[in-house]
Amino acid sequence: AQKVTQAQTEISVVEKEDVTLDCVYETRDTTYYLFWYKQPPSGELVFLIRRNSFDEQNEISGRYSWNFQKSTSSFNFTITASQVVDSAVYFCALSGTTSFQKLVFGTGTRLLVSP
Amino acid sequence: SQTIHQWPATLVQPVGSPLSLECTVEGTSNPNLYWYRQAAGRGLQLLFYSIGIDQISSEVPQNLSASRPQDRQFILSSKKLLLSDSGFYLCAWKSDRVPGNTIYFGEGSWLTVV
Repeated sequence: AQKVTQAQTEISVVEKEDVTLDCVYETRDTTYYLFWYKQPPSGELVFLIRRNSFDEQNEISGRYSWNFQKSTSSFNFTITASQVVDSAVYFCALSGTTSFQKLVFGTGTRLLVSP
Repeated sequence: SQTIHQWPATLVQPVGSPLSLECTVEGTSNPNLYWYRQAAGRGLQLLFYSIGIDQISSEVPQNLSASRPQDRQFILSSKKLLLSDSGFYLCAWKSDRVPGNTIYFGEGSWLTVV
């Protein structure tokens, strides 16, 4: 069975601080996909990144970066120089390779960035 | 480009009343469609998924049902709502052509059963 664990329920930082959101996953599949979504107060889930299990390269997109390590089954997300607009709930998710592809979500980490 | 819309955005329904949430996808054909629910303070739970018209799979036993009368239309229904049906419901879609494609979500519908 697949499982995603986001142990940090809530994180509070002050603007301009760096923050890392942890994600640990479990799967027996050799090929799988990992995702991060952002859920602002409006509720809509916004896609941030997708990574397949064969691509362990870290990725940077502006202030966002992702560290994928298969050895520790982790896919952590770092926000550099956080801003108030980063305040949201962030979800890590995992899926296999079947055509209908069900996403298994972690319970989310609420990030509060104060000015 | 592809878009997904769901409605209504918010509704308050009495216990025992029926429910109908509708979702449509534009700009693609034969998408995989999903209904997720997010209970207050909890993660997202997959309720139903569909790989084609009238092809619905249920993930958890519950008071809800889903239908897909057209290729890009997905409807979540209930004949009699329970208090426990309250939550945030999200419709989502994915292209069926490539495994691992990103799943995109609609704006969500807030349901409060009173």
